[in-house]
Amino acid sequence: QVQLVQSGAEVKKPGASVKVSCKVSGYTLTELSMHWVRQAPGKGLEWMGGFDPEDGETIYAQKFQGRVTMTEDTSTDTAYMELSSLRSEDTAVYYCAIPNVFSAFDIWGQGTMVTVSS
Amino acid sequence: AIRITQSPSSLSASTGDRVTITCRASQGISSYLAWYQQKPGKAPKLLIYAASTLQSGVPSRFSGSGSGTDFTLTISCLQSEDFATYYCQQYYSYPFTFGPGTKVDIK
Repeated sequence: QVQLVQSGAEVKKPGASVKVSCKVSGYTLTELSMHWVRQAPGKGLEWMGGFDPEDGETIYAQKFQGRVTMTEDTSTDTAYMELSSLRSEDTAVYYCAIPNVFSAFDIWGQGTMVTVSS
Repeated sequence: AIRITQSPSSLSASTGDRVTITCRASQGISSYLAWYQQKPGKAPKLLIYAASTLQSGVPSRFSGSGSGTDFTLTISCLQSEDFATYYCQQYYSYPFTFGPGTKVDIK
């Protein structure tokens, strides 16, 4: 059974970068397509991007293009999401998630709170 | 991007009630729709995918229907553990998009 364990909470200053990790267990990362979803306090869910196995590429939401980078370390089965040029509006819980064969997200990490504050 | 709307944004109900939440896509998405339940401080939980397929382990009081642009999530007999926020999501095309959510609380 696949499990996702994310890194701990972060506090960053505006303009800084944050890198959140998501450790996979139960499967190898190469067998999975990792996505990232975030949720600002009291707000809804927002898809940031993820790996498209049909194209073999990572797709980013246009809103985050140029600021987000999603990478994987297959030697440790860990996925990373790095967001740069942070602003207060980036304060949110960041989730990693894996889709089932129908592309609905059935496995989620526990979430990582990122706070951007001066 | 495909826009997803949900209604109502919130509702109050009692245990045992039948609850219906609707989701509408700005363009046809066939049956590429999922429903999630989220409780405070927790990650979302997949309830239904492909518009009407119940995720393994989810109680049968949850059901989904619809295709194209209009979809429905029904909870046939609300239980205390069902008080939560519900989101629909389209995965027909990138960027994947979620509805704004429907909060179900106790009347």
